[in-house]
Amino acid sequence: EAQVTQNPRYLITVTGKKLTVTCSQNMNHEYMSWYRQDPGLGLRQIYYSMNVEVTDKGDVPEGYKVSRKEKRNFPLILESPSPNQTSLYFCASSPQRGGRYLETQYFGPGTRLLVL
Amino acid sequence: AQTVTQSQPEMSVQEAETVTLSCTYDTSENNYYLFWYKQPPSRQMILVIRQEAYKQQNATENRFSVNFQKAAKSFSLKISDSQLGDTAMYFCAFMKHVRPGYALNFGKGTSLLVTP
Repeated sequence: EAQVTQNPRYLITVTGKKLTVTCSQNMNHEYMSWYRQDPGLGLRQIYYSMNVEVTDKGDVPEGYKVSRKEKRNFPLILESPSPNQTSLYFCASSPQRGGRYLETQYFGPGTRLLVL
Repeated sequence: AQTVTQSQPEMSVQEAETVTLSCTYDTSENNYYLFWYKQPPSRQMILVIRQEAYKQQNATENRFSVNFQKAAKSFSLKISDSQLGDTAMYFCAFMKHVRPGYALNFGKGTSLLVTP
């Protein structure tokens, strides 16, 4: 089954304790992205990756890191989480057609993070 | 700045009736994509419909259709024969081109309640 998976789905942690949220897709998509969703704000992009070893900042990158060592995986790293990073996080992927325009993005199930 | 505006935070419709969710966007680009995503209580992001700006014909997917007015930068979603399972948050999204990649720019969402 074609899908985007995220782990963990739920996480409670404390301020300053490094954590990683994994994202994996089995559709051979070039493009992957991380979003966070907060009440009343919709979804905002954190980081994206056009392909292996190519990543760039989105609208709200502060406090996050990413890496893209393999095409299928795009982990999100919080080096020192803070309470304002409590949110619902989505990973998404899409194929890349012609290098310019975005095909439909497929979303993972979401990771709910609470930072105490 | 490229923005997406959903002016209706909440809407309600009776089962079997028709409802229209509005969305306006702002862009200087000529070719782009627009999307409607549905987010039910499970929080999964589900693609409802997609419109390519260079296509004049409005997209349709079963009971879901759009009214795309490119000159007015309007992209409304019509749900016909509403069903209880349509109860969800609906997000309008615009593909924005951010060098060297792109991202989905989301509106803040419209919460739709379908009542018996």
